[in-house]
Amino acid sequence: QKEVEQDPGPLSVPEGAIVSLNCTYSNSAFQYFMWYRQYSRKGPELLMYTYSSGNKEDGRFTAQVDKSSKYISLFIRDSQPSDSATYLCAMSYRNDMRFGAGTRLTVKP
Amino acid sequence: DGGITQSPKYLFRKEGQNVTLSCEQNLNHDAMYWYRQDPGQGLRLIYYSQIVNDFQKGDIAEGYSVSREKKESFPLTVTSAQKNPTAFYLCASSMVPGQGLETQYFGPGTRLLVL
Repeated sequence: QKEVEQDPGPLSVPEGAIVSLNCTYSNSAFQYFMWYRQYSRKGPELLMYTYSSGNKEDGRFTAQVDKSSKYISLFIRDSQPSDSATYLCAMSYRNDMRFGAGTRLTVKP
Repeated sequence: DGGITQSPKYLFRKEGQNVTLSCEQNLNHDAMYWYRQDPGQGLRLIYYSQIVNDFQKGDIAEGYSVSREKKESFPLTVTSAQKNPTAFYLCASSMVPGQGLETQYFGPGTRLLVL
């Protein structure tokens, strides 16, 4: 079992749809939870981060962390073609940071 | 304009050749990291450094070497011992873990191809 599991997709949605991206993890020590967006052949850019459990909202993006279930989610509202990218979840505790394999998302106009 | 730069963008390696990938940051971050990204896999940690003149092996350090002579710079050498070096290499930096914000910021990457 991988330490971080993320459905690789690909996921294709029409413009304006609500997108739900998810990761599960096995290490209960993780404290910081992050979502990165990676465009093709580019480095990942930090989209959102949360500390411990709870929700965080930033514009069209909402990150949720449920530590009891070891489950994190990223919701994208009113998705746009410019949201088409690979989304990586990541989580860390001290020096140990682990990444999901990434979910490839395409938003069709 | 703060950030992380990596060079070159593309790098070609011949059999038996060592190549060095450059990573520079001006974010005043203490910690720097090197990852390898392969299709369908998560980022895998090669080496990391939390302070100048000190670095630690990550999960897949074999066939790689690093140095950290300056806070701003963390070059990665892919040696001839690395038998499958074709991948996308990403450098990242962060504040030292334990000081609150542990998120890592990434450079644009270097794509290494074997001739």
